[in-house]
Amino acid sequence: EVQLVQSGAEVKKPGESLRISCKGSGYSFTSYWISWVRQMPGKGLEWMGRIDPSDSYTNYSPSFQGHVTISADKSISTAYLQWSSLKASDTAMYYCASGSSADYWGQGTLVTVSS
Amino acid sequence: QSALTQPPSASGSPGQSVTISCTGTSSDVGGYNYVSWYQQHPGKAPKLMIYEVSKRPSGVPDRFSGSKSGNTASLTVSGLQAEDEADYYCSSYAGSNNLGVFGTGTKVTVL
Repeated sequence: EVQLVQSGAEVKKPGESLRISCKGSGYSFTSYWISWVRQMPGKGLEWMGRIDPSDSYTNYSPSFQGHVTISADKSISTAYLQWSSLKASDTAMYYCASGSSADYWGQGTLVTVSS
Repeated sequence: QSALTQPPSASGSPGQSVTISCTGTSSDVGGYNYVSWYQQHPGKAPKLMIYEVSKRPSGVPDRFSGSKSGNTASLTVSGLQAEDEADYYCSSYAGSNNLGVFGTGTKVTVL
């Protein structure tokens, strides 16, 4: 069974750094891109960026370029989304997704940024 | 890349059909046969319902169907059931090195 398991909810202060994770199992982790999707409270879905786990090549949405970093460690089938300096506006649910049409999704990681 | 346009809401009685539109441009929906639809129940992760315009993943009921005409894709849910009440999002490929774009989302209510 294909599974993407994300790390748990986080509460951070503005300016702090954070890395959340997404571990894949049940399939060849390097076969599909891993994408990250943001959903702000009460709002729709937004593609943030994606990574090819086989060579760590990344694409970012212009809206997120420079504010987040996507990485992966194929040896442990895990992708990461990280911030070096969080803002209150980063408060959202973050999902990872994989598969040729984003067939499989993680359960989501809620990130709350508040002073 | 601007979000694809969906109606904010749609509704129907149990057993009826509801169709949701997803309008883009020739650079996304109209240019490629790579439109997907996702269902999201409150507090849950999105679930793929349709891919490549009209294909259903294994396990998705055949009550769900997709189509496309020009720059507009559509999702039809036939024989509405209570569990179909959810938010639905379309997404389209928009060219190489482009992440693609989501629709604005449609809340489907089963009356």
